[in-house]
Amino acid sequence: DAGVIQSPRHEVTEMGQEVTLRCKPISGHDYLFWYRQTMMRGLELLIYFNNNVPIDDSGMPEDRFSAKMPNASFSTLKIQPSEPRDSAVYFCASSFGYSNQPQHFGDGTRLSIL
Amino acid sequence: GESVGLHLPTLSVQEGDNSIINCAYSNSASDYFIWYKQESGKGPQFIIDIRSNMDKRQGQRVTVLLNKTVKHLSLQIAATQPGDSAVYFCAERRADSGGGADGLTFGKGTHLIIQP
Repeated sequence: DAGVIQSPRHEVTEMGQEVTLRCKPISGHDYLFWYRQTMMRGLELLIYFNNNVPIDDSGMPEDRFSAKMPNASFSTLKIQPSEPRDSAVYFCASSFGYSNQPQHFGDGTRLSIL
Repeated sequence: GESVGLHLPTLSVQEGDNSIINCAYSNSASDYFIWYKQESGKGPQFIIDIRSNMDKRQGQRVTVLLNKTVKHLSLQIAATQPGDSAVYFCAERRADSGGGADGLTFGKGTHLIIQP
């Protein structure tokens, strides 16, 4: 079975550029989560969706960050304009139901902003 | 244990030995806990979970113990193998999130090294 699929796997761009990260959740899962991982702060929840609707975006660091889920099989996380401190690994995860169900993670996008 | 900044706690065990990874969680209202394994260049991989109405759960070669009195979670791996080398994270989910801190809160992780 296909797991959570993220693209690109690596992204290197200059500060000020727009960055778009993509995620395809596991088919049938109704929750989708975006996390960011850094050495200093570990794994942090940015935003999550239920049935394509954003439920909690309190973890989104700034207005430069935005996320959308136009349908059940696709989500994007956009950073515009990007800054060097946005460099991190960004993970997407999905789950079926929310309460007491494990989230399954993609292999992440390693983002480097120069 | 927990770490600050760049340094993860490291646990080094001999291949074939049992290992125990510990985690102190923060919120007494948390009702669901998960252990994840993360290998280099990959996303966290689900290992085992436990609900707060349980104190022990077993999987294949793994056991999770939950002590709610002291807010402590542990992962026991039996007969460790080279493939067990990874960073292990505990995660908790709050029961009273109510639109607040939803999603999982992750610990900083423990680096498990299996010595041949």
